[in-house]
Amino acid sequence: DGGITQSPKYLFRKEGQNVTLSCEQNLNHDAMYWYRQDPGQGLRLIYYSQIVNDFQKGDIAEGYSVSREKKESFPLTVTSAQKNPTAFYLCASSITGPGTEAFFGQGTRLTVV
Amino acid sequence: KQEVTQIPAALSVPEGENLVLNCSFTDSAIYNLQWFRQDPGKGLTSLLLIQSSQREQTSGRLNASLDKSSGRSTLYIAASQPGDSATYLCAVRLRTNAGKSTFGDGTTLTVKP
Repeated sequence: DGGITQSPKYLFRKEGQNVTLSCEQNLNHDAMYWYRQDPGQGLRLIYYSQIVNDFQKGDIAEGYSVSREKKESFPLTVTSAQKNPTAFYLCASSITGPGTEAFFGQGTRLTVV
Repeated sequence: KQEVTQIPAALSVPEGENLVLNCSFTDSAIYNLQWFRQDPGKGLTSLLLIQSSQREQTSGRLNASLDKSSGRSTLYIAASQPGDSATYLCAVRLRTNAGKSTFGDGTTLTVKP
């Protein structure tokens, strides 16, 4: 089945640690996105990539980093510089260009302990 | 900067009612508008995608309309069922940056048996 797989589903981070969230898609989509969702709020864009080896900051990129070495993969690292990382993280992908539908993974819930 | 607003934030209706969810946006130069459903702790499922050249889209009991001139979209749900209970989010993709979407905060719908 084609789709987007995020792992792990739940992740716990200690203060000062970096953690990496995985996002893999087999939809052959060029564009991939990372969003953060806080309780009762919509999604805010962290980073996006429209082609391999290229990515752009979204609205809340501080404290996060990404890489796009393969078309299928777009991992997100939450660094120790992110002061309030507890949130629900969603990865999405779409065909590059306007008017295209976005598909989402099932999310990773990150909690700082 | 595009702003997307969804009203009401929460809605509770008895089973069988027809209902309307609202989404408004400030910049009418959009490529498309997409309605999503999100169940608690889950990712987003695309319901309907309306291109900027379209006025409405229908899928089963769902009908979404788009009025760019007034900056509004509505999602109409006919004959609501308890299984429709979820949070509904709208997302707008602008012409100026087709890779990014702006999300509303969502409307949480509860359909009571």
